[in-house]
Amino acid sequence: AQTVTQSQPEMSVQEAETVTLSCTYDTSESDYYLFWYKQPPSRQMILVIRQEAYKQQNATENRFSVNFQKAAKSFSLKISDSQLGDAAMYFCAYRSGFRIQGAQKLVFGQGTRLTINP
Amino acid sequence: DVKVTQSSRYLVKRTGEKVFLECVQDMDHENMFWYRQDPGLGLRLIYFSYDVKMKEKGDIPEGYSVSREKKERFSLILESASTNQTSMYLCASSLVGEKLFFGSGTQLSVL
Repeated sequence: AQTVTQSQPEMSVQEAETVTLSCTYDTSESDYYLFWYKQPPSRQMILVIRQEAYKQQNATENRFSVNFQKAAKSFSLKISDSQLGDAAMYFCAYRSGFRIQGAQKLVFGQGTRLTINP
Repeated sequence: DVKVTQSSRYLVKRTGEKVFLECVQDMDHENMFWYRQDPGLGLRLIYFSYDVKMKEKGDIPEGYSVSREKKERFSLILESASTNQTSMYLCASSLVGEKLFFGSGTQLSVL
């Protein structure tokens, strides 16, 4: 079974600085997807960024980028120029690449609570 | 925009009550999921469904059941609520191979 581990329960950063959230995962599959979700106090889960395992290039979305190390099974999220609105719980998640019904679920890490200090 | 609607934002129930949590999606998604969110544990999958009347157990199905009679609606049932089922419950839906869309969650307290 796949597992996802986030070893940082809480992180804080000064506004406008850069912060990196860590995530490691375990799988025997070669085809999979990795995600970072953000959950602000509104509780609405928002997809931040997605990485396909077959792509060597790291995904980026504006101020958000990932460092995907496939051999090390590591998938960290970097937030540049942190803003107050980035304060939230961040979850790392894994999904199999198999397009069969039972493989469509997301497996989540424990979450990291990010605080932005003004 | 896809909308996933959970019927209650907050719910308070008594031990032993039968509890229904309802989830409706408006985009004809095949897949629907129920997750439970607890501090320090992240989101854990309770059940999911990939078609009407089809369901599969997730990682923590004990004490729960589900119903999917119509494609747009996926219900989570607590047959006899217990205090250890106090938690945040999140519903999600997706097309096959596509990203998940989440509801806003139901915070359930069992007293």
